[in-house]
Amino acid sequence: EVQLVESGGGLVQPGGSLRLSCTASGFTFTTSWMHWVRQVPGKGLVWVARINTDGTSTSYADAVKGRFTISRDNAKNTVYLQMNSLRADDTAVYYCVKDGWGSWGQGNLVTVSS
Amino acid sequence: EIVMTQSPATLSLSPGERATLSCRASQTVYNSYLSWYQQKPGQAPRLLIYGTSTRATGIPARFSGSGSGTDFTLTISSLQPEDFAVYYCQQDYNLPLTFGGGSKVEIK
Repeated sequence: EVQLVESGGGLVQPGGSLRLSCTASGFTFTTSWMHWVRQVPGKGLVWVARINTDGTSTSYADAVKGRFTISRDNAKNTVYLQMNSLRADDTAVYYCVKDGWGSWGQGNLVTVSS
Repeated sequence: EIVMTQSPATLSLSPGERATLSCRASQTVYNSYLSWYQQKPGQAPRLLIYGTSTRATGIPARFSGSGSGTDFTLTISSLQPEDFAVYYCQQDYNLPLTFGGGSKVEIK
């Protein structure tokens, strides 16, 4: 069974940083591209970033480019989202998603507020 | 950016009725790259349909997808109580990957 377990969310002040982690199991992580998607509570889904299998290629939504960094550690079956210069409009539930889009993490709430 | 527009925003129907949800793309999306998701409150989205018309594993046959080019449709042939939820379309053909704004299917 595919499992994606996220951690690292919480409350952070504007301008602060946070790192989300997503640990995968139940599939061959090293051959899977991975994504982060976010959702403001009560609103729609927004793609944030993706990373290829060995971490050499990444892509970002314009809203987070230059502030967020997606990375992965294949030895730990983990994908990360480093979020810097956080703003109030980054407040959302963040999901990690296995490419193919059939497997999603449980979601992790990030709240940016003073 | 490919903008995905879903309609209607809300659909009020009774169990047993047919639901037809529309998704329009601002540019051509090739069929392999159009998906549909269902989301219930407090849950992660669930993949229903990929490649425009292929049901994901475990998805009942009452869910079907169709369309091409810029116009796509999700049909639920006979609504079951567990189908009342929000539905999203998505294209993963062009970066940035984009989702529609969602269509809520509510109980009439």
